[in-house]
Amino acid sequence: ETGVTQSPTHLIKTRGQQVTLRCSSQSGHNTVSWYQQALGQGPQFIFQYYREEENGRGNFPPRFSGLQFPNYSSELNVNALELDDSALYLCASQRLAGSTDTQYFGPGTRLTVL
Amino acid sequence: AQRVTQPEKLLSVFKGAPVELKCNYSYSGSPELFWYVQYSRQRLQLLLRHISRESIKGFTADLNKGETSFHLKKPFAQEEDSAMYYCALGNTGKLIFGQGTTLQVKP
Repeated sequence: ETGVTQSPTHLIKTRGQQVTLRCSSQSGHNTVSWYQQALGQGPQFIFQYYREEENGRGNFPPRFSGLQFPNYSSELNVNALELDDSALYLCASQRLAGSTDTQYFGPGTRLTVL
Repeated sequence: AQRVTQPEKLLSVFKGAPVELKCNYSYSGSPELFWYVQYSRQRLQLLLRHISRESIKGFTADLNKGETSFHLKKPFAQEEDSAMYYCALGNTGKLIFGQGTTLQVKP
């Protein structure tokens, strides 16, 4: 069974640019959640996708957007990057939407905004 | 507001000593609570959840609704328990994490 994978591992961008992060969910999982983890903080929920539809969103501005594809992989897009967007971005997948099901995390993408 | 608080950033104990990692939450309704762990150079993974009431790697956690707490305990710490521990609250599909506690077990 393949676990959650994310790409790229690291990324450096400058302020104002746009970035796309990718996530492949674990086999058999149809729900993907994205989290932002700033240095020294716990992960913060960005949004969740279930069967290609957004299924809940945290307190993040619209310049954070996402997609889920028919194979349940997902993308996180961030426009107009700001310095505070520098963080580790985590993707997690689960079998079914709803918090009772265990979320399995990927290794993360480290984004640095200069 | 829904919130998870882990008051200790760092907890340092000697091998064989008891461990208690504190977690308090605020939530109206029946909470779903989890402990996640991140070992060095590994990804975040589920340690245990209050629904299953099981013991994993010798750790247990009891939900105390009166005190709104879900503290993680282990009677005898091992060096391999050294890691970052996060308490999380489940709410309609999303997880709300605390800031995390680094557990350092000294030989």
